[in-house]
Amino acid sequence: DAMVIQNPRYQVTQFGKPVTLSCSQTLNHNVMYWYQQKSSQAPKLLFHYYDKDFNNEADTPDNFQSRRPNTSFCFLDIRSPGLGDAAMYLCATSRESNRALNEQYFGPGTRLTVT
Amino acid sequence: GEDVEQSLFLSVREGDSSVINCTYTDSSSTYLYWYKQEPGAGLQLLTYIFSNMDMKQDQRLTVLLNKKDKHLSLRIADTQTGDSAIYFCATPTGGFKTIFGAGTRLFVKA
Repeated sequence: DAMVIQNPRYQVTQFGKPVTLSCSQTLNHNVMYWYQQKSSQAPKLLFHYYDKDFNNEADTPDNFQSRRPNTSFCFLDIRSPGLGDAAMYLCATSRESNRALNEQYFGPGTRLTVT
Repeated sequence: GEDVEQSLFLSVREGDSSVINCTYTDSSSTYLYWYKQEPGAGLQLLTYIFSNMDMKQDQRLTVLLNKKDKHLSLRIADTQTGDSAIYFCATPTGGFKTIFGAGTRLFVKA
């Protein structure tokens, strides 16, 4: 089945220790997104890639970076995690050819704990 | 900025109808969406409605849109325990960006 895969599902890191979250997709979609979701809050868009074109949200902290080495993979790097960065991180994809509807396909998320 | 508001919890008995409500601020949205998230899974598009429609029915699901009041609702008829999930209201806001509500957690009591 075509899908969006996130690894790991649970990640524990220490305060200030860099961490990388991974997302891969078998849908061959050209748009990929990273969202941060805190408990009982709406998913908040951090950035998205349209092919190799990176689009950062204005309020995304500099502490968050992303890489997309190819169509299938996208990484979220948190350079110096703080306690406030503990959250669920959601990866999603969509097809540019279906831009009007822009249905997004989500992975199951990675829950990040910062100790 | 754009915002989507929805209540956080709803509890219903099995067999009853569930109604999940949402209000939004961006009146230029072409579509409005309902996404569903089951335990341990990602969000999945459940249904959507064009902004020029008032109602859309899809089996047990009915979506109602009141553009004047910027109010969207999702009705699930004959709610089953398998409908227990978090339901997110969402609207596109330009480009590839979508704004989500915080999600309504539906509890279905047997």
